[in-house]
This record gives sequence, structure tokens and C-alpha cells, in this order.
Amino acid sequence: QLQESGPGLVKPSETLSLTCTVSGGSVSSHYWSWIRQTPGKGLEWIAYIHQNGDTNSNPSLKSRLSISVDTSKNQFSLKLSSMTAADTAVYYCVLGSTGEFGPWGQGILVTVSS
Amino acid sequence: EIVLTQSPGTLSLSPGERAILSCRASQSVSSSFFAWYQQKPGQAPRLLIYGASTRATDFPDRFSGSGSGTDFTLTISRLEPEDFAVYYCQQYGGSPYTFGQGTKLEIK
Repeated sequence: QLQESGPGLVKPSETLSLTCTVSGGSVSSHYWSWIRQTPGKGLEWIAYIHQNGDTNSNPSLKSRLSISVDTSKNQFSLKLSSMTAADTAVYYCVLGSTGEFGPWGQGILVTVSS
Repeated sequence: EIVLTQSPGTLSLSPGERAILSCRASQSVSSSFFAWYQQKPGQAPRLLIYGASTRATDFPDRFSGSGSGTDFTLTISRLEPEDFAVYYCQQYGGSPYTFGQGTKLEIK
């Protein structure tokens, strides 16, 4: 199981920090991704990471993005800087790197507003 | 970036009917790297089909996928009430890995 945690509200220009806690398995054993969903743009793959250091991210977000794995806590995290209203979305953490994504976390709604 | 265009945007059918959902890619995608997801209201998407035609274990055999190159199809042979949902296609043949905008399958 995967569970996202983080703030539901972020101010414009601030940095979003989200964490995904993995239960029932080891975060070290797999690739993990972040995917977001907005009414306007639909589903958007953000990035993937593996504990071995292999990562890849969407070029549209790469300059604002940081992802990491914490094996001691069995978690992986996302940081997205310079948030704008366009970043308002449901953010999902997901098992997988490029496709065949699943299972998914329940998602966390992040709203960017002052 | 590979753009995926799904059609129709909304499909209105009755239980028992056959549903055919289409997804067209802006450039050729290996069928090995093509997937479909089902999403119900308030839930995360669920992997339905991968490798263009391999059904995930959770789903019955009334769901089937086909296609190659730039044209892919999801077919639901005989709709059950629980099949009414939004369906998304996804390509993972090239980064960034992209999704279609979705087809909403609604009860007529």
C-alpha cells in the first residue's frame, strides 16, 4: 500500500513537499513514480526514482523538481518549487517507473492559493 | 513528446452493449509499451491493460486491448454496470510517458 502525505494548501511561489509511505514491501526493491491529475491537463507523469539512484523526470517540471528515497523510513518524496495555480492537482504516488503503473496511492489534493 | 488523443470523449451505452474506445498516438509507439487504465469517481486509476493487449489480473476477460503503431483500441465486449468509468490510455515507449485525456463511458 502507498499513502501520500503533505499539505493540502500551498501558497504561490512556495515549495510543495510530499511524502509517500510504502507499506507491505520495501521501497528499496522497486521503482516509484509521482503522477498528478488536473481537470485541465489530465494525468501527467512527473518523475520516477529508484533507490539505486536512477531517476527520470518530465522535462516540463524538471527545473523545479527534486525527488528522493528514504530507505530508513520506507518512504520516497517529491519537492516541487515555485508553485503556481497551474500546479493545483491531485498528486499520486505509484509503483512503477515508465508505465504499467500500479498500485496507486489514494492521492492527495494540493491547492495553490494565497 | 508523444501526444495521445482518445475518442470519443464521452461514450453513452447501455449495459450489455459493446464498447469500443480508441486512442491515437502522434507518433508510433511499440505495442509493448502501451497501457489502459480505468478510473472510477473518487478513486485512483487502476491498470487495466498493458503491453497493448495483456489484461491485468483484476479484470475479467470481457476487457480486451489491441492495436499497434499509432492506433490502439480498448474493447469491452458486454458492458456490466461496474464498467462505467473513465478510461485512459498511456504510452511508455518514450519519455515523457504520456496519457490520453480520457474517455468517459456513461450509462445511456
